[in-house]
Amino acid sequence: GAGVSQSPRYKVAKRGQDVALRCDPISGHVSLFWYQQALGQGPEFLTYFQNEAQLDKSGLPSDRFFAERPEGSVSTLKIQRTQQEDSAVYLCASSSAGGRRDTQYFGPGTRLTVL
Amino acid sequence: AQRVTQPEKLLSVFKGAPVELKCNYSYSGSPELFWYVQYSRQRLQLLLRHISRESIKGFTADLNKGETSFHLKKPFAQEEDSAMYYCALSGFFSGSARQLTFGSGTQLTVLP
Repeated sequence: GAGVSQSPRYKVAKRGQDVALRCDPISGHVSLFWYQQALGQGPEFLTYFQNEAQLDKSGLPSDRFFAERPEGSVSTLKIQRTQQEDSAVYLCASSSAGGRRDTQYFGPGTRLTVL
Repeated sequence: AQRVTQPEKLLSVFKGAPVELKCNYSYSGSPELFWYVQYSRQRLQLLLRHISRESIKGFTADLNKGETSFHLKKPFAQEEDSAMYYCALSGFFSGSARQLTFGSGTQLTVLP
């Protein structure tokens, strides 16, 4: 079946603009994660959803970052008033149940460049 | 706090030679450890997990709790093994989150 998809694949924003990144998880997957990957680094956790509930947002770097998953399926990560330090690849992952042994399936990522 | 360290950013070996990608972790409890791989122009994907104790594409990894290590090994490297490899840890966090903590990755190049 189809894997995790993300759109857009590339986004260029001027500093101060708002952006919205979309994630379509694997159908039926309960858990959804967002990660941020800076150049030359491994992915870093941003936030976690179980169905529509955002159970952990401890990794969001500032209150300019906001994520939602209103119907427990598609998720959107929004960044307000983008800054240059927001430039990174944003990865979405989903898993069937969210247990710590569950495999997380990753999307291709959205590469955000803030000028 | 949990941390994963991959000391080598770049590693080159010749085809047919053994390869070992190092991973050390810091975690106070009992961790679940994974190796993820990203081939050129492909998405991040699971290679293997310690709980399965399996060999995938000839790779194995043993969890050494005494040395807090989870090194990835393959006796005979192939050119198609060239990729970025990430070691990752999933701990037991309060609440329901089971996020992964990743190392910074090792770029493996297998030379012909």
